[in-house]
Amino acid sequence: DQQVKQNSPSLSVQEGRISILNCDYTNSMFDYFLWYKKYPAEGPTFLISISSIKDKNEDGRFTVFLNKSAKHLSLHIVPSQPGDSAVYFCAASVNNNNDMRFGAGTRLTVKP
Amino acid sequence: ETGVTQSPTHLIKTRGQQVTLRCSSQSGHNTVSWYQQALGQGPQFIFQYYREEENGRGNFPPRFSGLQFPNYSSELNVNALELDDSALYLCASSLRLAGDETQYFGPGTRLLVL
Repeated sequence: DQQVKQNSPSLSVQEGRISILNCDYTNSMFDYFLWYKKYPAEGPTFLISISSIKDKNEDGRFTVFLNKSAKHLSLHIVPSQPGDSAVYFCAASVNNNNDMRFGAGTRLTVKP
Repeated sequence: ETGVTQSPTHLIKTRGQQVTLRCSSQSGHNTVSWYQQALGQGPQFIFQYYREEENGRGNFPPRFSGLQFPNYSSELNVNALELDDSALYLCASSLRLAGDETQYFGPGTRLLVL
């Protein structure tokens, strides 16, 4: 029962270019979405979130877009930096409650 | 501000044994959630504790149990270990306030069951 899917296991981009990470979900009850970044040997670090009442949320170089009709969200990183190289997890919940569902992650590599 | 800490960092057990993993929540946080992350997958929600009571549970059998203490630290106990329990166990803490319950993760405990 994988309600949150990240279909690209890996992504490689050049430093300075845009990174676009995608996430799809199946449960229409989800109304709160988050992105986490994970470095090796560390726990996931919260990056950015968006509630279903919005379609865009921006924080510095990071922007999350939500398309509710398509049940799709994406994370844009502009410009990408080598330090952004990590595994990125998309997560979703109902009413920002305890049962957060995660995707399998996308490994982003930003090449200098 | 102290972040989320977990102990031990690594653990090796044999099938049938029992294990206890520990988590200290971030300063000021009153809610702790536990996740299991198998290799190549995202974290899966096990359960959450709020004010020392279980506050939601994922699709895990009863041999996964937990505790939360008055200082909001927490334990995850797994009985009758199976090979498939080998995973990274993550603890996340949050502050129960209307509108924002962002969870902050510890570094995890990597459990290997042989």
